[in-house]
Amino acid sequence: EAQVTQNPRYLITVTGKKLTVTCSQNMNHEYMSWYRQDPGLGLRQIYYSMNVEVTDKGDVPEGYKVSRKEKRNFPLILESPSPNQTSLYFCAAGSRDTGELFFGEGSRLTVL
Amino acid sequence: AQKVTQAQTEISVVEKEDVTLDCVYETRDTTYYLFWYKQPPSGELVFLIRRNSFDEQNEISGRYSWNFQKSTSSFNFTITASQVVDSAVYFCALKGAQKLVFGQGTRLTINP
Repeated sequence: EAQVTQNPRYLITVTGKKLTVTCSQNMNHEYMSWYRQDPGLGLRQIYYSMNVEVTDKGDVPEGYKVSRKEKRNFPLILESPSPNQTSLYFCAAGSRDTGELFFGEGSRLTVL
Repeated sequence: AQKVTQAQTEISVVEKEDVTLDCVYETRDTTYYLFWYKQPPSGELVFLIRRNSFDEQNEISGRYSWNFQKSTSSFNFTITASQVVDSAVYFCALKGAQKLVFGQGTRLTINP
């Protein structure tokens, strides 16, 4: 079964405490991406990756880092979280050629 | 630049009514994909349909139907005989060569 797995699903943390949200896919897809969802703003792209060791900024990359050392994993790193990064985060994986796209279940992050 | 506009922020109808959710997009890519996703109150993103730019054929799946018109850059979604379980936020999305861009979403409420 095609799957994108995000962890943690829920997290409450404090300002400045580094955290990582992991994302793993089992479909061997080249494309992976992170989005944040905020009320009234829809889903906005943070970073995306077209393949291993290839990452690019999306529309709202400030305050985030990513890495793509292997095809299946695409972690999202918040080096020094701030309250404005409180949001619902989604990871996606898909095929560049067919446009097929799968989303994880979402990670709800609260920064106090 | 790519852009997706869902002009209807919220729609409320009575059960069994038909309802159409509008989606208008902008892109310079000649090859692109259009998507609709449903986000129920539980928060996950549920894939509904993917359509590539070369396939303008309308599609029907049960009570759901989609009307893709390149001439007006629109990809509208109609629910026939709506049900309470259709209540959700619906997102239209566009994927070009690299980025996937979402509309702001339409919150659909079906009242019994």
